[in-house]
Amino acid sequence: GNSVTQMEGPVTLSEEAFLTINCTYTATGYPSLFWYVQYPGEGLQLLLKATKADDKGSNKGFEATYRKETTSFHLEKGSVQVSDSAVYFCALRSNDYKLSFGAGTTVTVRA
Amino acid sequence: EAGVVQSPRYKIIEKKQPVAFWCNPISGHNTLYWYLQNLGQGPELLIRYENEEAVDDSQLPKDRFSAERLKGVDSTLKIQPAELGDSAVYLCASSLSLLGEPNTGELFFGEGSRLTVL
Repeated sequence: GNSVTQMEGPVTLSEEAFLTINCTYTATGYPSLFWYVQYPGEGLQLLLKATKADDKGSNKGFEATYRKETTSFHLEKGSVQVSDSAVYFCALRSNDYKLSFGAGTTVTVRA
Repeated sequence: EAGVVQSPRYKIIEKKQPVAFWCNPISGHNTLYWYLQNLGQGPELLIRYENEEAVDDSQLPKDRFSAERLKGVDSTLKIQPAELGDSAVYLCASSLSLLGEPNTGELFFGEGSRLTVL
C-alpha cells in the first residue's frame, strides 16, 4: 500500500541554521506530495506541494522537490527562524484521493 | 471566512463512557474527513464523506465508532464505549471535493479534539 516515511525527530537547531527533513514514499501510480505544518496550538496547514516528478514546491522559504527516481520529497530551508518551530508532516495523496501522512518531525529553533 | 470548527477542544472521560465530537467544515466544502492522531504519529483517516455519503469508512472501528453527516454539512463522530486506547486527538478536515482545493489539493484542518480516557 501507499506509505510515507519521514525523518524521526526531534530536531533542535539554532536560528539561521540549515534545516533538512527527509521524506520518502511508497506508492502505486503517480501520487501528489505535500508538506503540512502544525504550529503550537494550531491545526495542520499546507506548507507546500508538488504534483508531478521534478516539480518543486516552495513557501515561506521552504522548498521540496519531487524526486521520482529516489521516491523522495525532502524539505529544506536555508535559514530557519524561531517562528519555524513546529511539527512538520510529509503526506501523499494517492490515485484514490486518500491523503496519507508520515509520523511527523518536531523542529525546535533556538534563538 | 471561518475555518473548520471542532468542539470540544478537550474531553476527559472514564473508560466505557460515551463521547461525541462535532465538526463544522468550511462553508461550501463538500468533502469532510475525520482523522485520528495518536501521540507522536501522523494523522490516520477514519472516515471520509462526500456530501452526506461516507465514501471511505474502511478504517473506522465500527464496533464502537460511528459517524454521521446527515445534511451534508456538519458532522458528529461518536465513540461508545470509549477505551483507554482511544486517547488521542481527533481531527476534522474539509475540502471542496475529493481532489482537495482546485489548485493545491489542500485539505483544511480544524484544531482537533483531544480525548483522554481514564
